[in-house]
Amino acid sequence: NAGVTQTPKFQVLKTGQSMTLQCAQDMNHEYMSWYRQDPGMGLRLIHYSVGAGITDQGEVPNGYNVSRSTTEDFPLRLLSAAPSQTSVYFCASVRQGATEAFFGQGTRLTVV
Amino acid sequence: GQQVMQIPQYQHVQEGEDFTTYCNSSTTLSNIQWYKQRPGGHPVFLIQLVKSGEVKKQKRLTFQFGEAKKNSSLHITATQTTDVGTYFCAGKSGNTGKLIFGQGTTLQVKP
Repeated sequence: NAGVTQTPKFQVLKTGQSMTLQCAQDMNHEYMSWYRQDPGMGLRLIHYSVGAGITDQGEVPNGYNVSRSTTEDFPLRLLSAAPSQTSVYFCASVRQGATEAFFGQGTRLTVV
Repeated sequence: GQQVMQIPQYQHVQEGEDFTTYCNSSTTLSNIQWYKQRPGGHPVFLIQLVKSGEVKKQKRLTFQFGEAKKNSSLHITATQTTDVGTYFCAGKSGNTGKLIFGQGTTLQVKP
């Protein structure tokens, strides 16, 4: 099992560019989430999903879109990158009825 | 919405000293989880507390859940350099797997 895989690990974007951060899990977990981590702010929830075809907003959803067409994949789209979106992004998955969230290795995004 | 506050933000200790981080929620929690993130790494699950007043131990780590289920603490006895990292508490919202994290406490240990 690979667990939760995020790609890319590092990315530099210019302001206004769009891109998709990929997240895939091979544990057949129902719940998946995206967080951003900024110094002093902890992990803030961007979007989450309770299953294929179902997504909802978290604490800081503006500027991001998600979709969940399969159980395995939960991509995060930046529509028009802004410097304020410079951050480390983590994807996580949880099995329904379980406790532990499994995190990917993170994507370090810089918007210039 | 639900908020989870964690203090202190940073803590520097001498190796062998004790360390405590505190977590407070604006609402009653069904459970609370603790995670550790090593520098440059990703959060890794440590433990979950469910019952009011619950205390759990993992070697030198002691976790407590408050009687009102609105606060929690993590205490490390006799810190070691391997304890370096950021410790997060996280409260679960409903039954969706949606976790709300505190800001984290970053622990530095001087050898």
